[in-house]
Amino acid sequence: NAGVTQTPKFQVLKTGQSMTLQCAQDMNHEYMSWYRQDPGMGLRLIHYSVGAGITDQGEVPNGYNVSRSTTEDFPLRLLSAAPSQTSVYFCASSYSRTGTGNTEAFFGQGTRLTVV
Amino acid sequence: GEDVEQSLFLSVREGDSSVINCTYTDSSSTYLYWYKQEPGAGLQLLTYIFSNMDMKQDQRLTVLLNKKDKHLSLRIADTQTGDSAIYFCAGGSYQLTFGKGTKLSVIP
Repeated sequence: NAGVTQTPKFQVLKTGQSMTLQCAQDMNHEYMSWYRQDPGMGLRLIHYSVGAGITDQGEVPNGYNVSRSTTEDFPLRLLSAAPSQTSVYFCASSYSRTGTGNTEAFFGQGTRLTVV
Repeated sequence: GEDVEQSLFLSVREGDSSVINCTYTDSSSTYLYWYKQEPGAGLQLLTYIFSNMDMKQDQRLTVLLNKKDKHLSLRIADTQTGDSAIYFCAGGSYQLTFGKGTKLSVIP
């Protein structure tokens, strides 16, 4: 049972490069989300999806795009990387939107991204 | 939206009890959660409490909820070195909002 799988685990980008962080879950969860974790800032929501074909912005969406073509996959795209996007990125999934019941969020192991 | 506050650091001696505190603003949160993050890893659900409960006990963990003051606490009895981690409280009626995390250091 893989849970939530993120790739890659580590990545170094040059300013202006683009890349896609991959996230896949095998629990048939409808709700998926991306967070970034910065020292002293906790976790901040970037984008989320309540099901295939539906995405929405979170607290810090600028510079990131997402799509949800299948229930399993929720990739996060950086279109033109900036040093301010240096962070640890976590993907999470849950059965439904948190707050509507006891919906535990399952997290991936994270992607540590450095933009130079 | 929800705003969740917690202190950033806590240091305790092995065998003592640890108490991590959290305050929140959204009184309509149905559930409130405690997540644990070990170094280099993602977050894992530690425990949760339903909003109509005052207390929940799960082995060494005790969660206390004071709805009037919007205060949540996590008590870890007989703290062990393996409990060293960052602990996040989280809640929200629409989106899950996390606190900044409390780094617990256990001194042998």
